Amino acid sequence: AQRVTQPEKLLSVFKGAPVELKCNYSYSGSPELFWYVQYSRQRLQLLLRHISRESIKGFTADLNKGETSFHLKKPFAQEEDSAMYYCALYTGGFKTIFGAGTRLFVKA
Amino acid sequence: DSGVTQTPKHLITATGQRVTLRCSPRSGDLSVYWYQQSLDQGLQFLIQYYNGEERAKGNILERFSAQQFPDLHSELNLSSLELGDSALYFCASSVSVTDESPLHFGNGTRLTVT
Repeated sequence: AQRVTQPEKLLSVFKGAPVELKCNYSYSGSPELFWYVQYSRQRLQLLLRHISRESIKGFTADLNKGETSFHLKKPFAQEEDSAMYYCALYTGGFKTIFGAGTRLFVKA
Repeated sequence: DSGVTQTPKHLITATGQRVTLRCSPRSGDLSVYWYQQSLDQGLQFLIQYYNGEERAKGNILERFSAQQFPDLHSELNLSSLELGDSALYFCASSVSVTDESPLHFGNGTRLTVT
């Protein structure tokens, strides 16, 4: 079955602390993975995708096929990073599957 | 704003009723996707259209239907509404028929069924 799991509904860290938002996927094919973010009162938008292998707003995510994970990381969290984060898996067949989302709260 | 637009922003209706949610995709995008966001279930894929044709179906109930018109806007019709249909409904669009290109989301329509 194709599935995206984000085990944490809420993650709370202090400003300046490292943050890791977990994402695990289940997919038998070659995965294409994304992280989307939704800031307060803004629309859901793409943060990064694994094929780009880029760092956006200090965030990076590495695809680990052995562990079927695509965790999102940032070494030093900022207050403006507080948002809802969704991990997404493109499965082919014209659809993208999203995880349940993790709300990140960065405390001052 | 040439981004994805959804109307209405909020909708409150009673059980058993029927509503229509509307989405205009981003300029140049041919694919439209509908997602349902409930409290505990994250974003659930409902259905996708490309250039007027249905291309993929997800967990969409038989009481729900959608279509994409020649001008590429899409409508999601929800009928015989139940309390459990209360959710945020998102529309997204992308350039290609496959969604390996990023999805661009609208602000959503919040449906409350009382």
